[in-house]
Amino acid sequence: ELKVEQNPLFLSMQEGKNYTIYCNYSTTSDRLYWYRQDPGKSLESLFVLLSNGAVKQEGRLMASLDTKARLSTLHITAAVHDLSATYFCAVVNTGTASKLTFGTGTRLQVTL
Amino acid sequence: NAGVMQNPRHLVRRRGQEARLRCSPMKGHSHVYWYRQLPEEGLKFMVYLQKENIIDESGMPKERFSAEFPKEGPSILRIQQVVRGDSAAYFCASSPPGLDGYGYTFGSGTRLTVV
Repeated sequence: ELKVEQNPLFLSMQEGKNYTIYCNYSTTSDRLYWYRQDPGKSLESLFVLLSNGAVKQEGRLMASLDTKARLSTLHITAAVHDLSATYFCAVVNTGTASKLTFGTGTRLQVTL
Repeated sequence: NAGVMQNPRHLVRRRGQEARLRCSPMKGHSHVYWYRQLPEEGLKFMVYLQKENIIDESGMPKERFSAEFPKEGPSILRIQQVVRGDSAAYFCASSPPGLDGYGYTFGSGTRLTVV
């Protein structure tokens, strides 16, 4: 059974600081997604990573994928308060068509 | 081009009643997925449907829960005889066949409260 773990589960950081969220998964997959969720809201797609070594950047967020290590990272550069949200990674379980397995989520709080 | 439409946004049911949650996929999307999110938790897969077919229902509870995606009309997630533990946010997502790297597009969710 595919397991997806994120750490940390909760992250409080000051504006202007850098930090990385980690996403580990337990079985082979070559497709990983990052989503953002604001309280009481739906999920917003941030990045789609489709191959080993893939790196995507949007603003202060950068995501990467290492399929050999079964690890993805979401790096936050010079955090701002607007980035406060919960971030989820999700992995396609190879052989189960389009089913996504989500990580536990990382709740990010950026303080002034 | 409307996104994934879910209704109602909020639903309150008394224990023992039935809950019906509706989802209309994005235009051009033929695959629908239902996920459940308990408070302070991640999303758990429930069921994956195509028109008139259930493809994967491995995440559906064995009893009281059912889902359909008819040839015409929205997908329906039905919960019979609701209990307090069914209180959660239920998200529907849609995708084109094979995801094509785009991932899902999620609806705004239905927040079910059982009292």
